[in-house]
Amino acid sequence: EVQLVESGGGLVQPGGSLRLSCAASGFTFSSSWMTWVRQAPGKGLEWVANIKQDGSEIYYVDSVKGRFTISRDNAKNSLFLQMNNLRAEDTAVYYCASGGGFLFHYWGQGTLVTVSS
Amino acid sequence: DIVMTQSPDSLAVSLGERATINCKSSQSVLSSSNNKNFLVWHQQKPGQPPKVLIYWASTRESGVPDRFSGSGSGTDFTLTISSLQAEDVAVYYCQQYYSAPLTFGQGTKVEIK
Repeated sequence: EVQLVESGGGLVQPGGSLRLSCAASGFTFSSSWMTWVRQAPGKGLEWVANIKQDGSEIYYVDSVKGRFTISRDNAKNSLFLQMNNLRAEDTAVYYCASGGGFLFHYWGQGTLVTVSS
Repeated sequence: DIVMTQSPDSLAVSLGERATINCKSSQSVLSSSNNKNFLVWHQQKPGQPPKVLIYWASTRESGVPDRFSGSGSGTDFTLTISSLQAEDVAVYYCQQYYSAPLTFGQGTKVEIK
């Protein structure tokens, strides 16, 4: 069974940093593209970033470029999102997702990030 | 960027009746290399993460009931629930995976009339 478990969310002040993690199991992590998607409270879904199997291709939504960094550790079946210079508008539930190419089939349960003073 | 627009924003359907959700992309998501539409439908029930229902515009994900079907090509797509069940109350999102940035429709909320 595919499992994606996010962690690392919490309350942070504007301008602060957080590092999200996603622990993967039940599939061949090193063969899968991985993705972060977020959902602001009461709002729709927004793709944030994704990363190819070996990390050689990475894409970001414009609003996080230069502030967020996606990375992965295939030896530990883990995906990360380093978030710096956080803004109020980054407040959201952050989901990791897995799949082939840009198509992701599986979603995690999400972790809540709140940016507030 | 490819803009995805869904209609309607919400709809209320009686149990057992048909529900239809439309999704339009601002440019074609049909690939000439494999003749497939890079369009996926997600379902998000209240308090839960999203779940993939249909990908390649019309392929049902394993375990998804056959009352859910997807159709369309190019820029116009439809998700149909042939006979609405109580457990289908959710927000439905279309999403293109043709090119980055990946983009979602705004969502369609389906309720019971």
